[in-house]
Amino acid sequence: DAGVIQSPRHEVTEMGQEVTLRCKPISGHDYLFWYRQTMMRGLELLIYFNNNVPIDDSGMPEDRFSAKMPNASFSTLKIQPSEPRDSAVYFCASSLVGVGGYTFGSGTRLTVV
Amino acid sequence: GESVGLHLPTLSVQEGDNSIINCAYSNSASDYFIWYKQESGKGPQFIIDIRSNMDKRQGQRVTVLLNKTVKHLSLQIAATQPGDSAVYFCAAKGGGNKLVFGAGTILRVKS
Repeated sequence: DAGVIQSPRHEVTEMGQEVTLRCKPISGHDYLFWYRQTMMRGLELLIYFNNNVPIDDSGMPEDRFSAKMPNASFSTLKIQPSEPRDSAVYFCASSLVGVGGYTFGSGTRLTVV
Repeated sequence: GESVGLHLPTLSVQEGDNSIINCAYSNSASDYFIWYKQESGKGPQFIIDIRSNMDKRQGQRVTVLLNKTVKHLSLQIAATQPGDSAVYFCAAKGGGNKLVFGAGTILRVKS
């Protein structure tokens, strides 16, 4: 199994631009999570899906952030417009209900200048 | 202006010694706990887990202890190696399949 795959690994963009982060979960996993990691706030859960349906988006910072999961093998996290304070490492993780922990991807390091 | 970030505790140990990393959780309803290891430039990696009906679980060179009375979790690493140097996070799950992560502890192994 290739694990959770995120793209791109690095993204540098200018303030005001739209950014789209992508995630392919492990095949068969029914939960998908988006986390953000910064030095200031550590690992924060942004949103998670169960069977492609958003369950809890209370961690999404503001309306500039949106996430979709059109099918079981793909999810996107979009920031529009991006701001310098969005600079962070964004992780996607997936899991199977009842099996335990999450498997994380390698993350996308986003820098907004 | 000056930036303020999380001040992660750091544990420095000599290679070959045992390491103990501690974690406190706040939600008494948490019923499942995990320790993750994160190396520089990588995502968190699962190490070991424990359910609330247990107080100890052992893996290869690692042991997790759970004290529900005081809401405390610890990770013990035997014969610590340079490759164990990383940031270690505890995480707790309490309903809704949502994991809440602690701030993390930096483990530095001196050769």
